[in-house]
Amino acid sequence: DAGVIQSPRHEVTEMGQEVTLRCKPISGHNSLFWYRQTMMRGLELLIYFNNNVPIDDSGMPEDRFSAKMPNASFSTLKIQPSEPRDSAVYFCASSFKGFWGSQETQYFGPGTRLLVL
Amino acid sequence: GENVEQHPSTLSVQEGDSAVIKCTYSDSASNYFPWYKQELGKRPQLIIDIRSNVGEKKDQRIAVTLNKTAKHFSLHITETQPEDSAVYFCAATGSGAGSYQLTFGKGTKLSVIP
Repeated sequence: DAGVIQSPRHEVTEMGQEVTLRCKPISGHNSLFWYRQTMMRGLELLIYFNNNVPIDDSGMPEDRFSAKMPNASFSTLKIQPSEPRDSAVYFCASSFKGFWGSQETQYFGPGTRLLVL
Repeated sequence: GENVEQHPSTLSVQEGDSAVIKCTYSDSASNYFPWYKQELGKRPQLIIDIRSNVGEKKDQRIAVTLNKTAKHFSLHITETQPEDSAVYFCAATGSGAGSYQLTFGKGTKLSVIP
């Protein structure tokens, strides 16, 4: 298995531009998570999906951030317009959670390092 | 929601010594407690986890203990080696709808001095 795949690995953009981050979860996993990591705030959960449905987006900073999961193998996180304070590493993670089962391990992708100038 | 506190934020040990990192959580219904290791510039990777029906789990030089009554769990690394140097994160699940998600501690930067 290739693991969680994220693209791009690095993104440099100018303030005001639209940024789209992409994630392919591990095949068979039914939960997908988007995190943001900064030195100041650590690992923050932005949004998570279960069976392609957003369960909780309370971690999304503001309306400039949006996420979609059109199918079980693909998700996007979009920032429009981007701002310098959005600079961070964005991780996608996936896991499998059965209906009656306990929470299973989250596997992280390699991350996208975003720099907004 | 769940709140996870992790201590210390930095830890330096001599090679060969033991390292202990402690976490507390707030939601008594939490039932899954993983530990992740993140090397510089890399992704967090699971190193060990424990579920609420056991009190201790070991994997070679790494062990995790859980005290559900006190709502705290700890990571123990014995015979530390320079390659153990990294940031370690503890995490805990929430309950109900929150059981889908992990709440992470702020991390502990471990430095193993050769």
